[in-house]
Amino acid sequence: GDSVTQMEGPVTLSEEAFLTINCTYTATGYPSLFWYVQYPGEGLQLLLKATKADDKGSNKGFEATYRKETTSFHLEKGSVQVSDSAVYFCALSDNNTDKLIFGTGTRLQVFP
Amino acid sequence: DTEVTQTPKHLVMGMTNKKSLKCEQHMGHRAMYWYKQKAKKPPELMFVYSYEKLSINESVPSRFSPECPNSSLLNLHLHALQPEDSALYLCASSQDASGGTMDTQYFGPGTRLTVL
Repeated sequence: GDSVTQMEGPVTLSEEAFLTINCTYTATGYPSLFWYVQYPGEGLQLLLKATKADDKGSNKGFEATYRKETTSFHLEKGSVQVSDSAVYFCALSDNNTDKLIFGTGTRLQVFP
Repeated sequence: DTEVTQTPKHLVMGMTNKKSLKCEQHMGHRAMYWYKQKAKKPPELMFVYSYEKLSINESVPSRFSPECPNSSLLNLHLHALQPEDSALYLCASSQDASGGTMDTQYFGPGTRLTVL
């Protein structure tokens, strides 16, 4: 079945550092890809999405490009802030089952 | 507006209690979802309602009973829960959940449930 693999965390960075969180997927067909963010004690917020190959999703300085050739959707940000500290989930839509398949989540900790 | 609201924010209940979680959205979405999330884990799908009809039940124990009174509301009735059911319960909604193209799901803030 479809699956999502994320890099293990935690990722620990200093403020203004460059961020990359790796995400690769396995899917049949052409899923949509998502990044959700979960701040401590809160629900999930949609951060960005891409619906087809070569699409780039972006929001709040975060970017991710749908790469079909490498089956990847890596999350990047040029300069992280302390307020970006959260858990980031990569996910894909399984068009056969109408389900959202999540990765295990990557905790990001940013220190001043 | 992409807001999904959930009440209560926190709930503590005994194993013999009956309680309900409520979820509401006013985005005109026709699909609504219940997820369970344990600490340091991704959300796990429990139920999907599409056009007010239950379309997916992920083999959830009968002590969890979902209800969709109308297209804006989703309830989760709880009865005779176990301590291992303690978790964050998340509601989500999307434009649709059929036709082979899944729309973006928008999540509520969750209800943190503790079963004593």
